[in-house]
Amino acid sequence: KQEVTQIPAALSVPEGENLVLNCSFTDSAIYNLQWFRQDPGKGLTSLLLIQSSQREQTSGRLNASLDKSSGRSTLYIAASQPGDSATYLCAVLPSGTYKYIFGTGTRLKVLA
Amino acid sequence: DGGITQSPKYLFRKEGQNVTLSCEQNLNHDAMYWYRQDPGQGLRLIYYSQIVNDFQKGDIAEGYSVSREKKESFPLTVTSAQKNPTAFYLCASSIDGGPSYGYTFGSGTRLTVV
Repeated sequence: KQEVTQIPAALSVPEGENLVLNCSFTDSAIYNLQWFRQDPGKGLTSLLLIQSSQREQTSGRLNASLDKSSGRSTLYIAASQPGDSATYLCAVLPSGTYKYIFGTGTRLKVLA
Repeated sequence: DGGITQSPKYLFRKEGQNVTLSCEQNLNHDAMYWYRQDPGQGLRLIYYSQIVNDFQKGDIAEGYSVSREKKESFPLTVTSAQKNPTAFYLCASSIDGGPSYGYTFGSGTRLTVV
């Protein structure tokens, strides 16, 4: 059974710091992995989608990598800003299904 | 602009009452999903629908019901059989179930039992 883990559960960093959020999954048979951002009391906003055949995807200050063989993905945020404060969730889509499995998220706080 | 609209944003339910949460999308997506989010837990799948007039139970379907009579609409009813309904409910859609473009989410409905 696919399981998705995100560590740490919470993280505080000073503004301007580069940071990495981690996501691990137990079964490498996936279609893709999607990173989301969630602000308090809001829905999920898609940040990046990495297909199983890709190694990384970039959008602005965000870069997501995928290592299927080791069951790991990282979300790199460059030059963090207070506006980046939110909960970041990763989700994997197991091969042969159409239902994402979500991690519990990392709650990020960027201090001004 | 295309997107998913969930309403209402806040909903209060009395004990023993059924309530219905609305989810409408104008993305022309075939698949739609309902998730429940509780503090400290990941999203849990309640029901999903891959096509009009067809839907399947997710991991926590007990106490919930859905319908999919139109492609753009997937309402969720929380029945009195759901013993702990207080949670944040999220609706999502995808063009093909996720393999090509992933999911798009609505802004959520917070349900509170009073």
